[in-house]
Amino acid sequence: GAVVSQHPSRVICKSGTSVKIECRSLDFQATTMFWYRQFPKQSLMLMATSNEGSKATYEQGVEKDKFLINHASLTLSTLTVTSAHPEDSSFYICSARPAAGYGYTFGSGTRLTVV
Amino acid sequence: SQQGEEDPQALSIQEGENATMNCSYKTSINNLQWYRQNSGRGLVHLILIRSNEREKHSGRLRVTLDTSKKSSSLLITASRAADTASYFCATDAGSTLGRLYFGRGTQLTVWP
Repeated sequence: GAVVSQHPSRVICKSGTSVKIECRSLDFQATTMFWYRQFPKQSLMLMATSNEGSKATYEQGVEKDKFLINHASLTLSTLTVTSAHPEDSSFYICSARPAAGYGYTFGSGTRLTVV
Repeated sequence: SQQGEEDPQALSIQEGENATMNCSYKTSINNLQWYRQNSGRGLVHLILIRSNEREKHSGRLRVTLDTSKKSSSLLITASRAADTASYFCATDAGSTLGRLYFGRGTQLTVWP
């Protein structure tokens, strides 16, 4: 079945530094990937839609300069949290939609802690 | 949540009992999906029901959809301790762009 690898699974960083999270589709090509954020015991909030070869589309209220998304190939999208602050601590999850067919495959998530 | 609400927010039952979770949403939809999430992990797709379908089954799962009430339910029959997880509904909010909008989720605990 379709597999999405998300890395790292956990990261702790100092306030003010930047963190990059990778999302790879391992056995299929994904023209579109999605990034979500989840606070403890809450729902997933869609942050942005990542399109291969073009700029990401951000949901209302999400700072594009804060959360940089790059989708340089059909199998890789990255989310960079720039100048991270403690309030950016959260669980970030990506999902990928195959270029052909329907359905979504989710990564296993990244727990970001900013200290 | 970005799309709707699930209720109950938490459900605690004994093994063998049935678990019913409800989801309401706000917009028109093309389809509605249910996902499961174990604590601190990614999401696993359970079932998709299209807007022109009223009921769908998959193993011990039964999903209903009432588009007039903008609501859906997920029934897990003969629950097991391994079913303990959070369950979320998600819709496409009528878009074909692939975005999913999730409800708040129901935390299901099944006691052995």
